Amino acid sequence: QSVLTQPPSVSAAPGQRVTISCSGSSSNIGDNSISWYQQLPGTAPKLLIYDTNRRPSGIPDRFSGSRSGTSATLGITGLQTGDEADYYCGTWDSSLSAGVFGGGTKLTVL
Amino acid sequence: QLQLQESGPGLVKPSETLSLTCIVSGGSISSTNHYWGWIRQPPGKGLEWIGSIPYSGGTYYNSSLKWRVTISLDTSRNQFSLSLGSVTAADTAVYYCARHYLEQLAPRGNWFDLWGQGTLVTVSS
Repeated sequence: QSVLTQPPSVSAAPGQRVTISCSGSSSNIGDNSISWYQQLPGTAPKLLIYDTNRRPSGIPDRFSGSRSGTSATLGITGLQTGDEADYYCGTWDSSLSAGVFGGGTKLTVL
Repeated sequence: QLQLQESGPGLVKPSETLSLTCIVSGGSISSTNHYWGWIRQPPGKGLEWIGSIPYSGGTYYNSSLKWRVTISLDTSRNQFSLSLGSVTAADTAVYYCARHYLEQLAPRGNWFDLWGQGTLVTVSS
């Protein structure tokens, strides 16, 4: 049981827009910044969004992050088949003094 | 370009200790801006943070593993290590080392910006 809750799967057609939600509480998402990771099959996770809405160098602006209260959202526009992957949200939990991740969301590009 | 590489045995017997090392190249581990962390992923499952150690200061551990885990830093070899004792089959996972940015004050910035490729550790007799 993950501290952060993500939908197990989402799907959309190429070129469309998709959002992935991440729900937490006041001690984690409500209190600290959020990061998002993309994990392609058989590879290590890759930082996609940090500090809630900032993109590392090399990450296209098709990827965006936002937060509202105790929930965060990853948005992906102009979907490509290469975006098929597992996506994880992460943050710090101030009550646990621990790093926490969501359970992951599998994105299928139909 | 800083890189991380995990090393260690791929098979550990139940009740024994799992030991892994993360070798950091292309940069110094003696960074006051970063922690160095371990994350694991059981086959077909999600990510689980194990713990993170700074160059100086206190180490953070996942409370569910706290009594079995130790993370240490070796600045002379530019590497850090994970030790997990009394392992069972539930500890079978791909283990990743990563550079962990963690701010000291809330709201705490927290992200893993560089990852090793991961190493599969199987617990079996």
